[in-house]
Amino acid sequence: GAGVSQSPSNKVTEKGKDVELRCDPISGHTALYWYRQSLGQGLEFLIYFQGNSAPDKSGLPSDRFSAERTGGSVSTLTIQRTQQEDSAVYLCASSLGRAGYGYTFGSGTRLTVV
Amino acid sequence: TQLLEQSPQFLSIQEGENLTVYCNSSSVFSSLQWYRQEPGEGPVLLVTVVTGGEVKKLKRLTFQFGDARKDSSLHITAAQPGDTGLYLCAGGFMNRDDKIIFGKGTRLHILP
Repeated sequence: GAGVSQSPSNKVTEKGKDVELRCDPISGHTALYWYRQSLGQGLEFLIYFQGNSAPDKSGLPSDRFSAERTGGSVSTLTIQRTQQEDSAVYLCASSLGRAGYGYTFGSGTRLTVV
Repeated sequence: TQLLEQSPQFLSIQEGENLTVYCNSSSVFSSLQWYRQEPGEGPVLLVTVVTGGEVKKLKRLTFQFGDARKDSSLHITAAQPGDTGLYLCAGGFMNRDDKIIFGKGTRLHILP
């Protein structure tokens, strides 16, 4: 597609359950990023994939969070044993891999843990 | 440590007024970008500036990159309700050009 696609757009889950969030980047974009945005807040960096390099996981808040990117394209962010503080909008972005080109963001997945 | 400080955090003004929001840092950036985010959507790139002192205009929006590449401003002339949103600045590092950091944003509300 022409843009970054994220699914689901909304997810309500019970505390303690695992969730998977999906991101389909723009074709040809080598870099893929996951961010988290809590209500009324800025963007919190989570993880970054660039080509075949090892991912930059420096933003993951705990070992309950993990992500993979298969075939250099689709990425899945997994949150295990969800907690209420995980409730947020999870945004995915892709880029051509240089900061000057900017990022293209998806519309996000709104995760609510009840 | 917050590397990019945006001010003000919130701004509510009447339609037709002019406004300026700021993005400041003690770090030097290879490039600086401005994004606008509307409710329920991801941020959308408005502009990228790469040269110290550079000024770019996008209709009623004027973006400036500081001479030392540490700060930037966004000026909106004759604000309209459609300008309402969260404005985020983001900077690319000199030694790590593939990753950018975001400020916390300025939430702008234009009253009709």
